[in-house]
Amino acid sequence: DAGITQSPRHKVTETGTPVTLRCHQTENHRYMYWYRQDPGHGLRLIHYSYGVKDTDKGEVSDGYSVSRSKTEDFLLTLESATSSQTSVYFCAISESAGGIYGYTFGSGTRLTVV
Amino acid sequence: AQKITQTQPGMFVQEKEAVTLDCTYDTSDPSYGLFWYKQPSSGEMIFLIYQGSYDQQNATEGRYSLNFQKARKSANLVISASQLGDSAMYFCAMREGWKGGGATNKLIFGTGTLLAVQP
Repeated sequence: DAGITQSPRHKVTETGTPVTLRCHQTENHRYMYWYRQDPGHGLRLIHYSYGVKDTDKGEVSDGYSVSRSKTEDFLLTLESATSSQTSVYFCAISESAGGIYGYTFGSGTRLTVV
Repeated sequence: AQKITQTQPGMFVQEKEAVTLDCTYDTSDPSYGLFWYKQPSSGEMIFLIYQGSYDQQNATEGRYSLNFQKARKSANLVISASQLGDSAMYFCAMREGWKGGGATNKLIFGTGTLLAVQP
């Protein structure tokens, strides 16, 4: 397998609480990404990282923050969860930029905010 | 800004028939990559095929081929001899090329096409 794991796989949380999702890789890949998937929207990029402590915003970053203190871990934090953040969250990794280097996706985290 | 458009929310195809899933893209970057992913009902994202913007020939991977028409900015996926196991959501995606001092390597997705293969 690709060596990327997401935790937890499922979570139910209450509105207003902080939530942290973890993405862990064993591939030593430089690039890591967080996406959310919602019906009718496909996958939308939340935040991404191009190295340790190097992160940037994606198209739907409001209400989310990230951290990457070491190569293998990329954390996504919902600072104060809202019902609109109920979604399936995917982490992805990529070895390098350009060429045929592809992306490997985690299994997803289903988050429900009640 | 880069954008991927998939205009077919859902499609049906008979088993053993060929099907084309449409994808158009918009970018001002001369260097980009185009991907197709399959997402079955189990939820995992499965890479199918890749086409680079400078590739002269259309990409093929088994029963999958990518009909790349650069001037029209289209990258349609063709599945030949459909099988029941091909029933899934299919996403077209584009990787951003180089920006400034480096590459972000961001992958931007379309909204997907849900394919149902009928026996």
